[in-house]
Amino acid sequence: EAGVTQFPSHSVIEKGQTVTLRCDPISGHDNLYWYRRVMGKEIKFLLHFVKESKQDESGMPNNRFLAERTGGTYSTLKVQPAELEDSGVYFCASSQGRTSGSWTYEQYFGPGTRLTVT
Amino acid sequence: AQSVTQLGSHVSVSEGALVLLRCNYSSSVPPYLFWYVQYPNQGLQLLLKYTTGATLVKGINGFEAEFKKSETSFHLTKPSAHMSDAAEYFCAVRLNFGNEKLTFGTGTRLTIIP
Repeated sequence: EAGVTQFPSHSVIEKGQTVTLRCDPISGHDNLYWYRRVMGKEIKFLLHFVKESKQDESGMPNNRFLAERTGGTYSTLKVQPAELEDSGVYFCASSQGRTSGSWTYEQYFGPGTRLTVT
Repeated sequence: AQSVTQLGSHVSVSEGALVLLRCNYSSSVPPYLFWYVQYPNQGLQLLLKYTTGATLVKGINGFEAEFKKSETSFHLTKPSAHMSDAAEYFCAVRLNFGNEKLTFGTGTRLTIIP
């Protein structure tokens, strides 16, 4: 079974440019999460999709960040325009959620996208 | 709101020695607790989790952790370190209902000394 994949693995852009990160969750996982780790700090939650709906977007830093999950499969996270403080590693995770009357709690993480804004 | 504190951003142990990585949490309700490991150039991998039941939980690669409610701790241990254990380790907490987002600690980088 393929794991969570993210593209690109690295991205270097200039301040003011636009970048789009993509995440493909594990097939059949309804829940998809975005997290971010700024250098030397903790991994912080950005938002949570259940299928194509945003369940919780309380961690999104500001309106320069736009996340979508059309059709409830892969998700994109767009940063427009990028600022220096957006640099960091963006992780995507997915989980199965409630299945067969039981909750599954594991979130499976992708390798991350390292974004550098210069 | 929940929070996680990991004592020691860097820990070094000799090969064969005990590994102890500390994690303390703060949560207004009984939490679910997790340890993740990140090897170089890889994503986070779940080592073990505590949800309910037995407070001593065993994970992969010989790691285990004990949930101590009175101490609000969930320390990670391994009796004998191996060179392959060198990685960064993250403790995380989430509520046991509703919101599923994970709150992470700042991570502990484990170095194994040959």
